[in-house]
Amino acid sequence: AQSVTQPDIHITVSEGASLELRCNYSYGATPYLFWYVQSPGQGLQLLLKYFSGDTLVQGIKGFEAEFKRSQSSFNLRKPSVHWSDAAEYFCAVGARGGSQGNLIFGKGTKLSVKP
Amino acid sequence: EPEVTQTPSHQVTQMGQEVILRCVPISNHLYFYWYRQILGQKVEFLVSFYNNEISEKSEIFDDQFSVERPDGSNFTLKIRSTKLEDSAMYFCASRAVTAYNEQFFGPGTRLTVL
Repeated sequence: AQSVTQPDIHITVSEGASLELRCNYSYGATPYLFWYVQSPGQGLQLLLKYFSGDTLVQGIKGFEAEFKRSQSSFNLRKPSVHWSDAAEYFCAVGARGGSQGNLIFGKGTKLSVKP
Repeated sequence: EPEVTQTPSHQVTQMGQEVILRCVPISNHLYFYWYRQILGQKVEFLVSFYNNEISEKSEIFDDQFSVERPDGSNFTLKIRSTKLEDSAMYFCASRAVTAYNEQFFGPGTRLTVL
């Protein structure tokens, strides 16, 4: 079955510290991969995406993610977290090709930032 | 920057009532989606819509749900007879006609069924 696993429900880091949020997926073939961020009361904002090519992708707000095919992972990283990064982060996968396919989301990781 | 908009931001209704959630997708997008997120749970796909018809739907999207594109700009989700378990945040998304499945989400409508 197709699924996305985000093993960490809640992570707390200190401002200025580095961050890594984990994401593993189970899918029939290599899907498109996405990270979305949701601030309280807000919608889902796309942070970054992987379609093909370089497995290290850069996104907005200083985030990056690395696709590792052998591990079926797409972990999100940031070298230095800011207080404004406190939010919930969702990993998602979607079908390749021209299909209308839906996205499959993980359960999310809530990030808290300590001053 | 173009964005997906949704109205209302919050809707409170009584169980058994009909609700219509509205979305205005990005203007040159042709694929439209509804997702929902029950409080504390993950975002779940409901339905996708293309060329004026449903292209995919999940098990959640039963006969109580319907979607419509009544004019050139709006995309609506109707729940005919709401249940308590329909309480959730409902997100609309749209995407362009490309080979990439990059979907842009609206801010959501929080539906509360009492």
